Amino acid sequence: AQSVTQLGSHVSVSEGALVLLRCNYSSSVPPYLFWYVQYPNQGLQLLLKYTTGATLVKGINGFEAEFKKSETSFHLTKPSAHMSDAAEYFCAVSDRISNSGYALNFGKGTSLLVTP
Amino acid sequence: DGGITQSPKYLFRKEGQNVTLSCEQNLNHDAMYWYRQDPGQGLRLIYYSQIVNDFQKGDIAEGYSVSREKKESFPLTVTSAQKNPTAFYLCASSIGTGKNTGELFFGEGSRLTVL
Repeated sequence: AQSVTQLGSHVSVSEGALVLLRCNYSSSVPPYLFWYVQYPNQGLQLLLKYTTGATLVKGINGFEAEFKKSETSFHLTKPSAHMSDAAEYFCAVSDRISNSGYALNFGKGTSLLVTP
Repeated sequence: DGGITQSPKYLFRKEGQNVTLSCEQNLNHDAMYWYRQDPGQGLRLIYYSQIVNDFQKGDIAEGYSVSREKKESFPLTVTSAQKNPTAFYLCASSIGTGKNTGELFFGEGSRLTVL
């Protein structure tokens, strides 16, 4: 089964600083990769996804991620953190469960704290 | 607006009681999923359904049951056999066919607390 590992359960950055959240995947086939964001007591919202094509993917709220096959990584970055970016972030990889169906396998999440 | 509606948002249950969490979607998606979220453990798949009247166990199905009688509805029952049911439960859906990448659309979640 495909899996992801998120390095660092908690990351703290200053407002205006670079955000870097790490994700490495394990997959026997070309993966579909996702980053989701979750605010307290809410569902998950898609930030961005990689399926095929360009390896640098841009998402909402100024986030982007780069698919690096050689490093089996899909790290999430944002040049300048904002207080509103404080949330839980999940990396996920598609896992084929049938001929046409997928489920997502999630990492354990990284909690981002943004300090003034 | 299209989306996924979960209810109730918060639920309290006494030990030994079954409880059913509702999930309704109007996205016309074929596939629906239930995940359980515990602090520090990410999301774990309970059950999924790719088509009406069919569903499959996920990684942690013991103590849970589901039904899929209508395309738009996928209720989850937490039974008394579930040893540690206190958690945040998330329902999701995906296209399920065609150009499916597995991208999930989530509801707002239901928080179950066992007293």
